[in-house]
Amino acid sequence: GDSVTQMEGPVTLSEEAFLTINCTYTATGYPSLFWYVQYPGEGLQLLLKATKADDKGSNKGFEATYRKETTSFHLEKGSVQVSDSAVYFCALRTQGGSEKLVFGKGTKLTVNP
Amino acid sequence: DVKVTQSSRYLVKRTGEKVFLECVQDMDHENMFWYRQDPGLGLRLIYFSYDVKMKEKGDIPEGYSVSREKKERFSLILESASTNQTSMYLCASTKIGGHQPQHFGDGTRLSIL
Repeated sequence: GDSVTQMEGPVTLSEEAFLTINCTYTATGYPSLFWYVQYPGEGLQLLLKATKADDKGSNKGFEATYRKETTSFHLEKGSVQVSDSAVYFCALRTQGGSEKLVFGKGTKLTVNP
Repeated sequence: DVKVTQSSRYLVKRTGEKVFLECVQDMDHENMFWYRQDPGLGLRLIYFSYDVKMKEKGDIPEGYSVSREKKERFSLILESASTNQTSMYLCASTKIGGHQPQHFGDGTRLSIL
């Protein structure tokens, strides 16, 4: 079945450091890919998405590129801030049919000043 | 702006009680979802609904049921609460078709004593 694998956390960085959170997926066809963010005490918010190969999603300084050849959708940010501390979830929605999302297990990021 | 509202942020119930978790969305979305979120396990889909009175089982439906009598409201029911149902519960909704993201509520942290 479809699945998403994220790098294990937690990840701890200093402010202004470069961030990469790895995400790979297994799915048939051409899924849509998403990154969600969950700030402490809140629900999930959509951070960015990509719907076809080589698409780049971007938002709030975060970027991720849909790589069909490596089945990956790694999240990157050039300079993290303390306010980026949160849990990040990679997810996919399979092509056609069901509206369900398949989520990775989440990666907790802590950014220290 | 998109709004998914869960009726309670925190809830404490006793073993054996029947528990109702309510979710309302104001976006006229066709699809609604209930997840539970546990440390190390990420988000797991309990049930979803693609129309009024329609429902489908997710990955972990055992011990739960749902009700969708109106388009905007999706209720999760724990028929006889047990301690292993202590968790964070998240409701989400999405419009049908295309590459629509899911919109989440802030979650209900449920403790079963």
